Amino acid sequence: TQLLEQSPQFLSIQEGENLTVYCNSSSVFSSLQWYRQEPGEGPVLLVTVVTGGEVKKLKRLTFQFGDARKDSSLHITAAQPGDTGLYLCAGPYSGGGADGLTFGKGTHLIIQP
Amino acid sequence: GAVVSQHPSWVICKSGTSVKIECRSLDFQATTMFWYRQFPKQSLMLMATSNEGSKATYEQGVEKDKFLINHASLTLSTLTVTSAHPEDSSFYICSAARTSNTQYFGPGTRLTVL
Repeated sequence: TQLLEQSPQFLSIQEGENLTVYCNSSSVFSSLQWYRQEPGEGPVLLVTVVTGGEVKKLKRLTFQFGDARKDSSLHITAAQPGDTGLYLCAGPYSGGGADGLTFGKGTHLIIQP
Repeated sequence: GAVVSQHPSWVICKSGTSVKIECRSLDFQATTMFWYRQFPKQSLMLMATSNEGSKATYEQGVEKDKFLINHASLTLSTLTVTSAHPEDSSFYICSAARTSNTQYFGPGTRLTVL
């Protein structure tokens, strides 16, 4: 079973601060995805990283895929209260095809105004 | 584009009854649909994978006779929780995949079994 470990589990910071959350595994993934989930709603895809070492930016969010494709990070610059939510990383169970996803337990992020 | 809906959004039922949850891809045809379960403060756990016109593939520990999945068309999959018990209370989320393999998630269904 490919496990994804996310850290920290909970994070509460002040508006305007920067933060990084991590997603680690002992397994190699063909790709990793980051989702954001609001309470009582389904997860919404933020980004997919595919290539080792890849960096993608989405406004104030920067996503990086590790060179060995075993880990990923999400960095938020100048966090805002609207960034509050559960951030999940996920990867496919196997290397190809329309596979289900295995999810990390997520990072609960609270941005205080 | 790529909108997935679920119905109902929440349901309360008595122990021993069956509940059907629908998952629809509204603006695309989904080659595969997935069902996940999320307990409070937990992450999503894959329950089963369904392809249109064939039997669903269940993950280890998921009872196929309890969680009946029907994928009758490329835009509709249903999950029926049979003889529901309080421990089945959870947030059930479906996703639909196109040929690009990107999954689009529904808004979830909150099931409470009394």
